[in-house]
Amino acid sequence: EPEVTQTPSHQVTQMGQEVILRCVPISNHLYFYWYRQILGQKVEFLVSFYNNEISEKSEIFDDQFSVERPDGSNFTLKIRSTKLEDSAMYFCASSEFGTRGGETQYFGPGTRLLVL
Amino acid sequence: AQTVTQSQPEMSVQEAETVTLSCTYDTSENNYYLFWYKQPPSRQMILVIRQEAYKQQNATENRFSVNFQKAAKSFSLKISDSQLGDTAMYFCAFKAGANNLFFGTGTRLTVIP
Repeated sequence: EPEVTQTPSHQVTQMGQEVILRCVPISNHLYFYWYRQILGQKVEFLVSFYNNEISEKSEIFDDQFSVERPDGSNFTLKIRSTKLEDSAMYFCASSEFGTRGGETQYFGPGTRLLVL
Repeated sequence: AQTVTQSQPEMSVQEAETVTLSCTYDTSENNYYLFWYKQPPSRQMILVIRQEAYKQQNATENRFSVNFQKAAKSFSLKISDSQLGDTAMYFCAFKAGANNLFFGTGTRLTVIP
């Protein structure tokens, strides 16, 4: 069964460094998402992406964050200058359709980011 | 604003028994969707079951069923004949209008042999 994959599974970085988290969505899916979960807290929406542009973003997704689909398979989340509070599990998700219906989102296993 | 509340941080159940996980939500929307996701240890979240708010009939998927009470804004998950593989973190999630899901804080379920 097709799955969303994410790399790396764990990343440790120094505060102020740039990180790029990578995701490979399910191949026929058109909508892509990033969520994050700070330890002990709920999963929070960051951004959704369709047709090579951001369709929605939360207030968490500030200028330090950017997303890109550099080729036909990868979907990346870049954090330009990491802060301690960016330490979290980052989940990528994809869905075949999006619009505003109840389309199921399929999640990747997550990347655990630790900022020191 | 949408909020999702899971009031049970941890629960346990004996193998083959039935357990119910609670979820309440708050919204002013009339059309929305509710989901239960399961996250086994070190594995990704997978969809367990979903419910459309406009459907009165409760969704069922094999051993998993929901009790959807729209007026009470309650969406509980019942797992029958619990199996060891059901041990996981369970997240309740809500979706209306926007593309994004709103999640609860999760319930950690342990199935005891």
